[in-house]
Amino acid sequence: NAGVTQTPKFQVLKTGQSMTLQCAQDMNHNSMYWYRQDPGMGLRLIYYSASEGTTDKGEVPNGYNVSRLNKREFSLRLESAAPSQTSVYFCASHRGYEYEQYFGPGTRLTVT
Amino acid sequence: KQEVTQIPAALSVPEGENLVLNCSFTDSAIYNLQWFRQDPGKGLTSLLLIQSSQREQTSGRLNASLDKSSGRSTLYIAASQPGDSATYLCAVRPGAGGTSYGKLTFGQGTILTVHP
Repeated sequence: NAGVTQTPKFQVLKTGQSMTLQCAQDMNHNSMYWYRQDPGMGLRLIYYSASEGTTDKGEVPNGYNVSRLNKREFSLRLESAAPSQTSVYFCASHRGYEYEQYFGPGTRLTVT
Repeated sequence: KQEVTQIPAALSVPEGENLVLNCSFTDSAIYNLQWFRQDPGKGLTSLLLIQSSQREQTSGRLNASLDKSSGRSTLYIAASQPGDSATYLCAVRPGAGGTSYGKLTFGQGTILTVHP
């Protein structure tokens, strides 16, 4: 099992450009999450998908959109990147609330 | 709103020492609590998951305890090694009844350095 995979690993964007971060899990998990991690701010939830076909906003959703493409894949889109979106983005998944949550290796995004 | 605090923020110990990392949370209505390890530039690795009905969980040299009523958890690392150097994060999954139900709330982490 690869677990949770994310692409790309690194990305540099100019202000106003768009991009999609990809996430996939091969553990047949129901729920998937997108977080950002910033120094001094810790991990903050952007969006989540409790099950295939549903998505909901987390703590910091502004400037982002998500798509739960199927049970395996959950993508995060930045329509018009801003320097404030420079961060490390993590995707995570779990089978249910009573189970462990697993994280991907992260995408390091810089917006200039 | 659930808040999670980890003390100390940083800890430096000599190899072989037993150590304790602390995590406290403000709302005791939790579903479970999970401890993670994060190496520099890497993702989070799950260490231990404690359900709200449990008092402790053990994995190798790691032991995590949970006192839900007082809002505290500790991670005990026995016979520390340089390879244990990492940031340790505690995360609480709130229970039913609130808007944050089911979504992990993270502490800021404890940066652990074990020197030879």
